[in-house]
Amino acid sequence: EVQLVESGGGLIQPGGSLRLSCAVSGFTVSSNYMSWVRQAPGKGLEWVSVIYNSGNTYYEDSVKGRFTISRDNSKNTLYFQMNSLRAEDTAVYYCARARDYGGNLYYFDHWGQGTLVTVSS
Amino acid sequence: SYELTQPPSVSVSPGQTARITCSGDGLAKKYTYWYQQKSGQAPVLVIYEDNKRPSGIPERFSGSSSGTMATLTISGAQVEDEADYYCYSTDSSIDYRGVFGGGTKLTVL
Repeated sequence: EVQLVESGGGLIQPGGSLRLSCAVSGFTVSSNYMSWVRQAPGKGLEWVSVIYNSGNTYYEDSVKGRFTISRDNSKNTLYFQMNSLRAEDTAVYYCARARDYGGNLYYFDHWGQGTLVTVSS
Repeated sequence: SYELTQPPSVSVSPGQTARITCSGDGLAKKYTYWYQQKSGQAPVLVIYEDNKRPSGIPERFSGSSSGTMATLTISGAQVEDEADYYCYSTDSSIDYRGVFGGGTKLTVL
């Protein structure tokens, strides 16, 4: 059975840092594309970042230079290091398996339950 | 930047057909995917590659695509289908960038 379990969210002051984790079972993280998708309170879904099985990483412009996606193959876990957090980063953060269907294109077929990040003083 | 446009809301009575549209310039060349999100829950894939249904998704869910518009159709909508629905594709010119539509609130009552 496929499971993705996020952790690490919480209340953080503007300018602070958090690291989100996504523990995966049922498939190998390093063999798949993996993504972070967020949802601000009462708003829609927003793609934030992807890591390809090759290790290449990509980010939405608003988080580029502040957030870093990575993985630990030995722990089969995906991470999201978030620095210089802003109020507008407040959202539920979902990790998702990004299924590659060719030409580096992908969609999300398995999701975690999400972890809430609140940036506020 | 690339956008996918959905109507904010659609309302139908139980048993009626609900249609939710998604428009975007790149949809003529890339697949559209549809996600259902019920309140407080993670999204669930209900249609992939324009018109395919994952296992476990009821047959009343179907998808189609023509030119720059994709449509999610729920034939005989049920009360339990009430949810937010999001279309998804990748940016028309930046393959690594995923793009969601703004979401459509489906009300069934």
